[in-house]
Amino acid sequence: KQEVTQIPAALSVPEGENLVLNCSFTDSAIYNLQWFRQDPGKGLTSLLLIQSSQREQTSGRLNASLDKSSGRSTLYIAASQPGDSATYLCAVQSRFSGTYKYFFGTGTRLKVLA
Amino acid sequence: DAGVTQSPTHLIKTRGQQVTLRCSPKSGHDTVSWYQQALGQGPQFIFQYYEEEERQRGNFPDRFSGHQFPNYSSELNVNALLLGDSALYLCASRSLQGTGELFFGEGSRLTVL
Repeated sequence: KQEVTQIPAALSVPEGENLVLNCSFTDSAIYNLQWFRQDPGKGLTSLLLIQSSQREQTSGRLNASLDKSSGRSTLYIAASQPGDSATYLCAVQSRFSGTYKYFFGTGTRLKVLA
Repeated sequence: DAGVTQSPTHLIKTRGQQVTLRCSPKSGHDTVSWYQQALGQGPQFIFQYYEEEERQRGNFPDRFSGHQFPNYSSELNVNALLLGDSALYLCASRSLQGTGELFFGEGSRLTVL
């Protein structure tokens, strides 16, 4: 069974810092990996999707990398802003018993201080 | 282009009652999945529907059931509610022929008293 772990569980930083959020998974046979943002009590907003054949994806101040062999992904946030405060979740799509399933981490709760 | 929409946004039920949650997928999407998210946890997969049939199921009891309609919208039904069913219920959609990218709705917050 695929297990997804996110470290750290919580992070508090001053505005302007560059951040790295980590996601690790136990089974490297993944189809894709997706990073989400979740504001309190709200749904998940898709940030970046990395296909298994890709090494990284970029969107604005966000950059996500994928190393399948080591079972790791990192989300890099440049020049953090208070509006970046949220919980960041990674999800791995893996194939089990002929079907694709998504496995989520428990998230990193980020607070950016003004 | 409307995203994934869910209703109701909040609801309160008592133990033993039944609840129905509704979801309309993002335009162009044909696959709908449901997740349960307890406070401070990641979403847990309940089941996925495609072509009006349940295709995958997570580790949830039979009290949790669903349906997908010809227009791809979906319902989640939970019978005999327990206190532990209190959670945020999230609907996600994707195109089976696409990249696999998931899009989520804002969720339905269920409180069981």
